[in-house]
Amino acid sequence: DQQVKQNSPSLSVQEGRISILNCDYTNSMFDYFLWYKKYPAEGPTFLISISSIKDKNEDGRFTVFLNKSAKHLSLHIVPSQPGDSAVYFCAASAYAGGTSYGKLTFGQGTILTVHP
Amino acid sequence: EAQVTQNPRYLITVTGKKLTVTCSQNMNHEYMSWYRQDPGLGLRQIYYSMNVEVTDKGDVPEGYKVSRKEKRNFPLILESPSPNQTSLYFCASSLSGRGLVETQYFGPGTRLLVL
Repeated sequence: DQQVKQNSPSLSVQEGRISILNCDYTNSMFDYFLWYKKYPAEGPTFLISISSIKDKNEDGRFTVFLNKSAKHLSLHIVPSQPGDSAVYFCAASAYAGGTSYGKLTFGQGTILTVHP
Repeated sequence: EAQVTQNPRYLITVTGKKLTVTCSQNMNHEYMSWYRQDPGLGLRQIYYSMNVEVTDKGDVPEGYKVSRKEKRNFPLILESPSPNQTSLYFCASSLSGRGLVETQYFGPGTRLLVL
């Protein structure tokens, strides 16, 4: 039962263009969403997050959009750079009291390749 | 240097032979967590700990044990490893608090092969 899904295993984009990575979730209790980036042979690194009270959060070239009614979020990278080539994971958490916000559910990841 | 260390980095073992993967952080972080990464399944959380002596199950805790006796260490124990636990394991830590859990620092990973 995959509660967070990234249905595109890979995405290829030309340098300078927009990259759009998508993520869908099924658990309506999720109220906090995150994106991580992972290079080969390294651990993931945090990229950007969004709370369910917002529908957009921007940080430089990275913007995350949240559509709660569709249970969908997306990460936009503009402009894309070759150094953005990595695996991108979306993750979600649901606060249900106590320490529950420490529980994170990740998607399967999308491999982004940005061509020069 | 602020870091999360894991040992060993690579391990080949046989079914049923108990093993421990250590995780240590030097940032005085309260939150620590273990994940496994598998092809097509992404990252899945095994256990997490909000502070010393406080541990909770993630999405895939079966077959694993953890302990948090001191703040800096969070070992992952496989009492009786099986081949389906062959995976890449990551330990992570962060300061604490809802908004800070996201800024987890990940270790370099431990690649485990169970024969």
